[in-house]
Amino acid sequence: QKEVEQDPGPLSVPEGAIVSLNCTYSNSAFQYFMWYRQYSRKGPELLMYTYSSGNKEDGRFTAQVDKSSKYISLFIRDSQPSDSATYLCAMQITGGGNKLTFGTGTQLKVEL
Amino acid sequence: GAVVSQHPSRVICKSGTSVKIECRSLDFQATTMFWYRQFPKKSLMLMATSNEGSKATYEQGVEKDKFLINHASLTLSTLTVTSAHPEDSSFYICSARGGPGEVNTQYFGPGTRLTVL
Repeated sequence: QKEVEQDPGPLSVPEGAIVSLNCTYSNSAFQYFMWYRQYSRKGPELLMYTYSSGNKEDGRFTAQVDKSSKYISLFIRDSQPSDSATYLCAMQITGGGNKLTFGTGTQLKVEL
Repeated sequence: GAVVSQHPSRVICKSGTSVKIECRSLDFQATTMFWYRQFPKKSLMLMATSNEGSKATYEQGVEKDKFLINHASLTLSTLTVTSAHPEDSSFYICSARGGPGEVNTQYFGPGTRLTVL
């Protein structure tokens, strides 16, 4: 079993839709949770960073962490074609040498 | 703030040659830099972690003599792929820790696409 599971998609939605992206994980030691966006042939760009359980909102993006279920989500409201990219979840344990464990990424396509 | 650059963005080389990739943190000092490899439609695979002025720590299965990492300053790390072979063709991405965000945040470079003929 992989430490972090993420549906690779592709996920196709119409413009303006609410997008829900999810990851599950098995290691209960993960404390830091991040979402990265990666456009084709580019490096990942940090979107959201959360510590432990709870919600965090930034513009059209909301990140949720449920440690009891080992489940994290990223919601994108009013999705735009420019949101079309691969979204990677990443996690880190405290004192783990700052190493990130990534999901495989979900490919999102927002269509006009 | 928190911009990381990589050079070159793309390189094509012959089998047996060595290739050097640079990773720079442009507007912050990076206490730690990381090197990843990414295959098409796959996630990032951590290759090694480097701290300024010390030897890199390689992940299991990564040949340290083949992938030489030097972190000579707080803003520069280099990855040298020695005696490259076609199976080394991949997208190499670096990241740097130490920017203006949360203490554990890593900022990624734009990546270097290596093609070995």
